[in-house]
Amino acid sequence: QLQLQESGSGLVKPSQTLSLTCAVSGGSISSGGYSWNWIRQPPGKGLEWIGYIYHSGSTYYNPSLKSRVTISVDRSKNQFSLKLSSVTAADTAVYYCARDQQYFDYWGQGTLVTVSS
Amino acid sequence: AIQLTQSPSSLSASVGDRVTITCRASQGISSALAWYQQKPGKAPKLLIYDASSLKSGVPSRFSGSGSGTDFTLTISSLQPEDFATYYCQQFNSYPHTFGGGTKVEIK
Repeated sequence: QLQLQESGSGLVKPSQTLSLTCAVSGGSISSGGYSWNWIRQPPGKGLEWIGYIYHSGSTYYNPSLKSRVTISVDRSKNQFSLKLSSVTAADTAVYYCARDQQYFDYWGQGTLVTVSS
Repeated sequence: AIQLTQSPSSLSASVGDRVTITCRASQGISSALAWYQQKPGKAPKLLIYDASSLKSGVPSRFSGSGSGTDFTLTISSLQPEDFATYYCQQFNSYPHTFGGGTKVEIK
């Protein structure tokens, strides 16, 4: 059974960079046909797709966040990562990682990141 | 980006009721639509993909229909464990987008 687990800093200061990692177990991130995604959900609000990466390293980001987002993959550790720069309070959210085969069939449990000084 | 508009944003229903949630896309997306259920403090759970395909293990009281711009999620007989928020998501084009959600509450 595939499992995804987010980890990283839960508190980030304004203007700094948010960094999260998603560890994948029960399957290989190098399996073809899937992309590996980040999605976020501000408290009490809806879902926003951030971007994806394939095992090859190719990426696609939501244009609304593109200038601040970097997603990378570490195939040796079977994990992928998110960096979001120049954060503000509006970036406070639960961040999820998820596998995508067009729709999101496996999700991590989510991790709350709060942007505050 | 394709916008998805869900209605209603919330509803109150009783156990055993038939519940229908709609999702309208700002442009045609063929059948590239999925439905998710989310309970408080939990990640969304995939229910339906390709507009009408039921994910393995999901109860058959859940069904999806539609194509193009108009889609429906139906719960044929609401059960206590179905009280949650439901989201539609389009995967016809990037950026993938979600509807605003429909909260199903107990009447």
